[in-house]
Amino acid sequence: GAGVSQTPSNKVTEKGKYVELRCDPISGHTALYWYRQSLGQGPEFLIYFQGTGAADDSGLPNDRFFAVRPEGSVSTLKIQRTERGDSAVYLCASSPQGFAGELFFGEGSRLTVL
Amino acid sequence: GQQLNQSPQSMFIQEGEDVSMNCTSSSIFNTWLWYKQDPGEGPVLLIALYKAGELTSNGRLTAQFGITRKDSFLNISASIPSDVGIYFCAGGGGSQGNLIFGKGTKLSVKP
Repeated sequence: GAGVSQTPSNKVTEKGKYVELRCDPISGHTALYWYRQSLGQGPEFLIYFQGTGAADDSGLPNDRFFAVRPEGSVSTLKIQRTERGDSAVYLCASSPQGFAGELFFGEGSRLTVL
Repeated sequence: GQQLNQSPQSMFIQEGEDVSMNCTSSSIFNTWLWYKQDPGEGPVLLIALYKAGELTSNGRLTAQFGITRKDSFLNISASIPSDVGIYFCAGGGGSQGNLIFGKGTKLSVKP
């Protein structure tokens, strides 16, 4: 499809496990964003890539969270030693302009940590 | 950090009614955007505003970028059932290089 694709759509894991969430942005979009959304809240910024490099990772909550975008297209959000508080919907968005231009979101990956 | 105050938190609509919601911030933004999110979906962009004072329409939706660059409103005219959902404002181009989202306004159908 032409939109932002995220996999898996749902992930249930146990506390302490490692998780990877994948995002395939719209073709040609140079900017890629990860957001986290808890129930009843707005999306909360995690990290933003311009090309292959992380332009702003100030939203990552701690060093258990890490994201990569090695070829400037697909990105993977990695969460180590998951905790119950990590349970949320992880949203990926891409933008042709970057730097707070118009973001196009995927449907999200719902992570549940038991 | 920067925060957006979005109001009302929720509202009930009856088909045909006009709806208004707004977003304020203590910080200046260079862009304001309005998104709608349906259950199980990602937010979808409705309107983008790039200039202070700008008034933009998209069908039954009208949004304005406040002249102080610290606020924005969204109006929906003649609401229909498919307008139900959660509406988020988002500010960009402030001191942080990303979009900051409000907590959302939930639109439900009046029982």
